[in-house]
Order: sequence, then structure tokens, then C-alpha cells
Amino acid sequence: AQSVTQPDIHITVSEGASLELRCNYSYGATPYLFWYVQSPGQGLQLLLKYFSGDTLVQGIKGFEAEFKRSQSSFNLRKPSVHWSDAAEYFCAAAYSGGGADGLTFGKGTHLIIQP
Amino acid sequence: GAGVSQSPSNKVTEKGKDVELRCDPISGHTALYWYRQSLGQGLEFLIYFQGNSAPDKSGLPSDRFSAERTGGSVSTLTIQRTQQEDSAVYLCASSFPGLRGKNIQYFGAGTRLSVL
Repeated sequence: AQSVTQPDIHITVSEGASLELRCNYSYGATPYLFWYVQSPGQGLQLLLKYFSGDTLVQGIKGFEAEFKRSQSSFNLRKPSVHWSDAAEYFCAAAYSGGGADGLTFGKGTHLIIQP
Repeated sequence: GAGVSQSPSNKVTEKGKDVELRCDPISGHTALYWYRQSLGQGLEFLIYFQGNSAPDKSGLPSDRFSAERTGGSVSTLTIQRTQQEDSAVYLCASSFPGLRGKNIQYFGAGTRLSVL
């Protein structure tokens, strides 16, 4: 079955430190990949996306992600986190390449920022 | 408005009652999706509308769940005879599908449903 795995349920990082959130996908073909962020009581905001081409993609709020086909991974990174980055982060995949599709989401990673 | 709008933002109902949740997509977006977000199951895809085509209902958890989209715009998700396990946040998303499925979904803030 198609799936997205985020192995870390919670991550705690000190403000100003670097961040990496892990995401792995399963499928024969490469899906389209996304990272969304959700603050308490809010909907999902798109941080960045990967469709094809350059494997390092830049997003909003200083985030970037790298697609690695050999590892079936799409990890999210930020060089220096801010207290406002505390939120829930979701990795998602669209497995149907022929048209619009429902997304398959990981379970999410809760990011805690220590002062 | 500029974004996806959902109403109500919160809904409390009694077990066995019917509820209707509304989604107003971004203007011009032809695709509309419903998802359910619950503690135990995470984010689950429920149903997808594309233009005036018949919806993809493959994710609906039971026949108590139905959805319609009037005039290719506003959508209503209806849950009949609500059960406590229906308590969740229901998220709506819309998109304008690009070539070869390069499709970016934009989400509303959701409706938090509590079934007592």
C-alpha cells in the first residue's frame, strides 16, 4: 500500500539550532512530494513541493527539502529555527501522476522549540 | 475571499444527529477535496471532486458519509446519524490541477466536530 512515514513523532530543538525532519515514502514510481505545516487551530500551509528536476527545493520561511531517490526520502531542513517554527509538520505524497489526487500524509512531527 | 473557507469552525452535536459541513473553495479552483484529521488515524483522504465529474468517493469511511458540490463550487459534507468516532477535524482543500497532475492543494482552517 502507498504510505508516507515520518519516523519522529516529536522533535525538540533549541532556538537558533539547525533542524532536519525525516520523511520516507513507499511506492515503485516517484510520487509528487510536499511538506505542510500546521499551527494549533489552523489549517495546513504549504511549505514546499517537489515535482521533478532539481532535487533540492526551496520553500517559504527559510525551509528547504532534498529529494533522494535512492533512500526514498524527502527530508525537510532549516539552518536556524525560530520560536515561531513550533508547529506540526506533515509530509505528503500524491501517487497518481495522471491527474489530481488525494494526498497520502505521514502521521506528522511535532516540533518543540526550546529557548 | 482569498483562501479556502470552511464553516462552521466548530460544531458540537449529539450522537445520532445529522451534521453538514461547508467548504467554499478558492475562486477558479476546479478540484475540491475533503480530509479527516483525528488523533488515532492522522490525516485521511475522504472524497475528491473535479469539475462536474462524478466524485471519487473511495475514501469515505461508511455510507453515513456523503458529499455534494453544487455548481462546481461550494461543497457540503454530510454525516448522518453521527457516532462518537466521527469526532475529528474535517479539512477541505482546493486546487487548480496542472499538467501531469502537478497539483497543489490549498487547505482551509477546518471544522472541528465533537460528537457527544
